[in-house]
Amino acid sequence: DADVTQTPRNRITKTGKRIMLECSQTKGHDRMYWYRQDPGLGLRLIYYSFDVKDINKGEISDGYSVSRQAQAKFSLSLESAIPNQTALYFCATSDLRAGGADTGELFFGEGSRLTVL
Amino acid sequence: AQSVSQHNHHVILSEAASLELGCNYSYGGTVNLFWYVQYPGQHLQLLLKYFSGDPLVKGIKGFEAEFIKSKFSFNLRKPSVQWSDTAEYFCAVNSVNAGNMLTFGGGTRLMVKP
Repeated sequence: DADVTQTPRNRITKTGKRIMLECSQTKGHDRMYWYRQDPGLGLRLIYYSFDVKDINKGEISDGYSVSRQAQAKFSLSLESAIPNQTALYFCATSDLRAGGADTGELFFGEGSRLTVL
Repeated sequence: AQSVSQHNHHVILSEAASLELGCNYSYGGTVNLFWYVQYPGQHLQLLLKYFSGDPLVKGIKGFEAEFIKSKFSFNLRKPSVQWSDTAEYFCAVNSVNAGNMLTFGGGTRLMVKP
């Protein structure tokens, strides 16, 4: 089983609909992230959370919201989807190494492909 | 803000050819450097990483990368590519002073012809 699981893997929806992408992890990591991938733009950070009570905006948070329901669960919502949110979305986790420094190494889920018509 | 540039967006090689993918970043502080690979239809996975020490880093599947601090570069190399190396490659950088958040380059799509 994957350590970082995303659902759904594929979703087609219409403009204006509310969409939730879910992520759960069994790695025991405190830190979780949502990225979107677009061709030629690499991965861009939407939101991140360093623990259950900590939520932070990333580079491109407009139009998105998140919820950290538990250490292992981090969901991404599009309140009113629009076509330019069509993308591949990745959840990722990271951990602190000894000494308290985050190495920055990320562990990714398999992605959720979202198409907004 | 830090940024990461991958100048080659698409690379096509024949099997056994040598590979070098460029990566430059724009941050002068202490950085950690990564190369991730995304095989078709799969999630990103770590290929190799540099934190400190020997600037020549060896990763999985015969890949290596060299950190040249004076050039702000971390180029990925492989002496002889295989068809199975067809994938998209992402360079990523983080720095302590930027909260250890990873910044990704735009990716390089490699196609290896059999």
